[in-house]
Amino acid sequence: GQNIDQPTEMTATEGAIVQINCTYQTSGFNGLFWYQQHAGEAPTFLSYNVLDGLEEKGRFSSFLSRSKGYSYLLLKELQMKDSASYLCAVRDGNYQLIWGAGTKLIIKP
Amino acid sequence: TAGITQAPTSQILAAGRSMTLRCTQDMRHNAMYWYRQDLGLGLRLIHYSNTAGTTGKGEVPDGYSVSRANTDDFPLTLASAVPSQTSVYFCASSPTDTNTEAFFGQGTRLTVV
Repeated sequence: GQNIDQPTEMTATEGAIVQINCTYQTSGFNGLFWYQQHAGEAPTFLSYNVLDGLEEKGRFSSFLSRSKGYSYLLLKELQMKDSASYLCAVRDGNYQLIWGAGTKLIIKP
Repeated sequence: TAGITQAPTSQILAAGRSMTLRCTQDMRHNAMYWYRQDLGLGLRLIHYSNTAGTTGKGEVPDGYSVSRANTDDFPLTLASAVPSQTSVYFCASSPTDTNTEAFFGQGTRLTVV
């Protein structure tokens, strides 16, 4: 079967750096996505990786290793507004998105 | 720009009743999707449409039906609701089915009692 694994919850301190990991097993691969979802709101797109390596976008970076079935989202200079759930999703060989359950990130002052 | 709009925002529905969740986008996106989101689980695809006039089944289609009569609208119908359909439902769209980004509506919180 296909599955996406990510930690259920993480806690970090304002101003610090946090890395949220995602491992996947899918039938085929056509890209990996990270979305942010604040409580009670819709998911919003953060990043997309289809080739190995690091994609940087401001305070957020996303890394992909296709051979290891692994990605991480790196958040720098954490702010209280970064408290949210972070969803990892993989587009499989049929171009269907498979979603992880999400990682709830709690930021403490 | 409105983007993608869902209605209603929330609803309490008696088991056995039918209901249609509405979804409208004004971005002229070809692909549209319906997901349900339950605590502890990832978003699960119910139905999708890659272009107007076509629909397909996702991971959890049973008990749901969709139609795509035009580009903008993609309603989701529950013919006879059951308590296990209590969930938050998200509609999403993307320019094509292979695009890198999907845009989500604000969700419909449905409780079946």
